[in-house]
Parts: sequence; structure tokens; C-alpha cells
Amino acid sequence: GDSVTQMEGPVTLSEEAFLTINCTYTATGYPSLFWYVQYPGEGLQLLLKATKADDKGSNKGFEATYRKETTSFHLEKGSVQVSDSAVYFCALSYNDMRFGAGTRLTVKP
Amino acid sequence: NAGVTQTPKFQVLKTGQSMTLQCAQDMNHNSMYWYRQDPGMGLRLIYYSASEGTTDKGEVPNGYNVSRLNKREFSLRLESAAPSQTSVYFCASGWGTQNYGYTFGSGTRLTVV
Repeated sequence: GDSVTQMEGPVTLSEEAFLTINCTYTATGYPSLFWYVQYPGEGLQLLLKATKADDKGSNKGFEATYRKETTSFHLEKGSVQVSDSAVYFCALSYNDMRFGAGTRLTVKP
Repeated sequence: NAGVTQTPKFQVLKTGQSMTLQCAQDMNHNSMYWYRQDPGMGLRLIYYSASEGTTDKGEVPNGYNVSRLNKREFSLRLESAAPSQTSVYFCASGWGTQNYGYTFGSGTRLTVV
């Protein structure tokens, strides 16, 4: 069935470092792809999305490009801040929303 | 604009007790969902309701029941709680089409002892 695999964490970076969190998917159809962010003690918040191949989603300095040829949707940010520390979830939506296991990011000053 | 509201935020149950988790949304969304979040496993769908008056099983429905009371409210019931149901439960709502994301509540942390 449809599924999402994302890189295991935790990921620890220094402030202003470059961030990549890998996400690949398996789907029989043409899903939409999402990144969600979860801050401590809160629910998931939609960070960005892409609904078709070659679309780029972006928000708050984060970007991800829907790559059909590599079935990937990697999350990137050029310069992370301490406030970006959170758990990030990749997800796909076709018949329903399927989530990856989450990647915990810690950014140190 | 509250979004998705879940109650309670925390709960401790003894094995065999029952309880209902409440969820309400004020965005006029058609679809509502219940997920559980366990360490290292992401979110797993328990039940969902594509529209008022309908409910369907998700990936892990055993031990749970749901009620879509009206368009706004979707409750999750544990009839006889078990330690394996210790988890964080999230309610979410959405338009029910694949191009839109979900709005999540802040979660209920449930411990069954």
C-alpha cells in the first residue's frame, strides 16, 4: 500500500546550518505530498505541500520539490534557527493521509 | 477562530475503564479523523468520517468506536481500556480531497495503567 519513509533522527545542527530531511514515498496513484511540523506539546501544523510532479512547496524558508522520477519530497532550509527545533513529518495523501515516522530536529545556538 | 478543539488534554485510566475523547472543529470541514501517535511510528489512522453520518475504519481500529455527532463533532470511545492504548491521540479535520492538508487538534495524552 501507499507509504512514506523519512530519514531517522534525531538531527542536531548548529544555528545557520543547512538542513535536509529526506523523504521518499511509495504510491500506486498520483498523491499529493506534505510536510508537517510538530512543536513540543502541540498538534501537527501544515508546513508546505505540493500536489503534482515538479511542484515546489515553500513556507517560512523551508522548501520541498515533488520529484516523481525519484519518488522523493526532501525538506530543505538554507539557514536553520533555534526556533526550528521540532519534529517534522512527511506525508502523502491519495485515498487518505499517510505519515512517516517523523524526524526530530534540534538546533543549537 | 479555535480550529480543532480536543478534550481532555490528559487522562489516566485503569485497565478496563471506559472513556470518550471529544473533538470539535469550527472550519465547516467535511471530513474528520482520529489518529494515534506512538514513538517511532508516526501517526496511525484509527477511524475517519468522510462526511456527516458516515464513519470508516482506518489502520488500527480495534478497541475503539467513534461517533460523528454532527458536522462539527467527532468522538472516540474506548470501551475497555488496555495498556496498549497508552498513546497520544490527535483529532484532525479536512475538506476530504487529496490536495488539502489537515488541521490538527493539540492532542490528548492517555495513559492506561
